[in-house]
Amino acid sequence: GAGVSQSPSNKVTEKGKDVELRCDPISGHTALYWYRQSLGQGLEFLIYFQGNSAPDKSGLPSDRFSAERTGGSVSTLTIQRTQQEDSAVYLCASSPHRDRTEAFFGQGTRLTVV
Amino acid sequence: AQRVTQPEKLLSVFKGAPVELKCNYSYSGSPELFWYVQYSRQRLQLLLRHISRESIKGFTADLNKGETSFHLKKPFAQEEDSAMYYCALGGYNTDKLIFGTGTRLQVFP
Repeated sequence: GAGVSQSPSNKVTEKGKDVELRCDPISGHTALYWYRQSLGQGLEFLIYFQGNSAPDKSGLPSDRFSAERTGGSVSTLTIQRTQQEDSAVYLCASSPHRDRTEAFFGQGTRLTVV
Repeated sequence: AQRVTQPEKLLSVFKGAPVELKCNYSYSGSPELFWYVQYSRQRLQLLLRHISRESIKGFTADLNKGETSFHLKKPFAQEEDSAMYYCALGGYNTDKLIFGTGTRLQVFP
């Protein structure tokens, strides 16, 4: 694929259920970012990966949120016991190398917790 | 800590008017600043970065380290400039990329 791909595009889940959001970065990109986009909150940083390592997890809102990246490629963001305040658009981005680079964004996953 | 502030949530202008979207940052190291844009129903994309010192779609932004600002400017706004604009901060010693809360630009005909 030519760009960053996220799946699913939309997810509606019941409060209390677990969800997994997937991100396929551009091939060869070493850095991968997760953000949460909420109305009025802008783009909230969640976590980033350099290869398979996550040097900075400080943005994860609670211990219900976790993320992993395998093979330096696909990443999964997992939200356990979802709450209504988790409803947002979750964006993934990747960039080709360290420092001063352009981040390429996916189309996002719109999560709605009912 | 890295921090980006965009004080305006909404900026409305008429076509042909000058535009300035404000961005201030806080960072202890050597900063790298970006402007990203999200047009309606499109992905977030890079508009320009300070290191390139280029003008994209008529927009320019100058890094002012004294005022810790990176304001986005365009002398004559066009209707197609209507979009959400995000200022972003990275650094030469970090891979972390932080975004502001964004400013919605509305350009009326």
